[in-house]
Parts: sequence; C-alpha cells; structure tokens
Amino acid sequence: EVQLVESGGGLVQPGRSLKLSCLASGFTFSNYGMNWIRQAPGKGLEWVASISSSSSYIYYADTVKGRFTISRDNAKNTLYLQMTSLRSEDTALYYCARQDYYWFAYWGQGTLVTVSS
Amino acid sequence: DIVLTQSPALAVSLGQRATISCRASQSVSTSSYNLMHWYQQKPGEQPKLLIYDASNLASGIPVRFSGSGSGTDFTLTINPVQADDIATYYCQQSRELPLTFGSGTKLEIK
Repeated sequence: EVQLVESGGGLVQPGRSLKLSCLASGFTFSNYGMNWIRQAPGKGLEWVASISSSSSYIYYADTVKGRFTISRDNAKNTLYLQMTSLRSEDTALYYCARQDYYWFAYWGQGTLVTVSS
Repeated sequence: DIVLTQSPALAVSLGQRATISCRASQSVSTSSYNLMHWYQQKPGEQPKLLIYDASNLASGIPVRFSGSGSGTDFTLTINPVQADDIATYYCQQSRELPLTFGSGTKLEIK
C-alpha cells in the first residue's frame, strides 16, 4: 500500500524557516517524481514544487521561487521542502504527492504550516 | 499561466446525474494526450485522483465516475450520484508549468 506521511509543520514567525519532510513507503520511491502542493485554509489547491526521480529536474511556482527548496533522499525514501523567509500567505496545509506520468496519483494527509507572529 | 475555470457549486438529487465542467484558458491537449485530471476532496481529507488524461478512470474508482473533453473544455460526470459523493472536485492541468488547479466545484445534494 502506498503511504506518504508528511511531518515538520507548525507555528512559525514571519521571516523564519521551516523544513517539511514526507516519508514514502509501499513503492519504489526512487522511480517516481514527487511534488509539494498546498491548500490555504478554506481555499483551493496550489502546486508548489516538483522534483524528478533522480533530482535532475526541479521546478517551482513563482510564489515560492527563491524562498523554498525541494529535495529528496532516495536512500531514506524521503522528500523535503525547505522553506525560508516565510510569509503569512504561506500558511497552508502542505501535501506531498507522488507523480505518475502527468498526474498526482497519491497524496499524503498533509502537514499544517502556520506563519504568524 | 493556464487558468482553469470551474463553477463554485452544483446541487444534484441523489440518483441523478452530476456534470461538472472545467474550462481552460488555452488548450491543454497535445497530439497524443489530453492533459487534464480530476480529483475528489472530501471534508478533512486529502485529495484523491479520480480521472487522468481527461477520460481514464483511476484505480479503484467506481465506474459511475467518467470524464470527457479535449482542448479547452472538459467534463466530469457522476451518474448516478450517491450520498458518499459529497465533496469538492478539482480539475488540474499538466500541459505546461506552472501546474494549475481549478478553484473547485462543491457538489451538494438537492
């Protein structure tokens, strides 16, 4: 069974940093591209970042480019999102999702990030 | 960016057909694929893939869900609607970066 378990969320002050993790199991992690997608409270879905299976290709939404860094450790079956210079508008539930070809086939349950003083 | 437009809400009676539309600001189709996908999100849960490449049913999804469309106009159909289908439905395109989602259509029971 495919499982994606996010962690690392919490309350953080504006301008500070936070690192999210997503532990994958039930599939060969190193064979799949992975993504972070977020959802602000009561709002829709926003794609944040993508990373290919071998980390050769990395893409970001303009809203986070230069502040967030996506990475992965295939030996640890773990996806990361390093977030710096956090803003109130980054407050959201952050999901990791496995990418199958061109779609998001599996999603984790999400980890909540709240940016507030 | 490709903007995907969905109606905010749709009310349907149990046992009837629900048709949810998604219109893209530019074509999301290639010569080989229609790069539009549909997700269901129930309250308090993560999104779940329903349909990929416009018309392909994801694994484990009931056959009363179906998708159609090409170019800029796409449709998700649920027939017949069941009480368990109460959720918000999102379309998503992967034709070009940034990957974008529609704003979601909330399915309500009439």
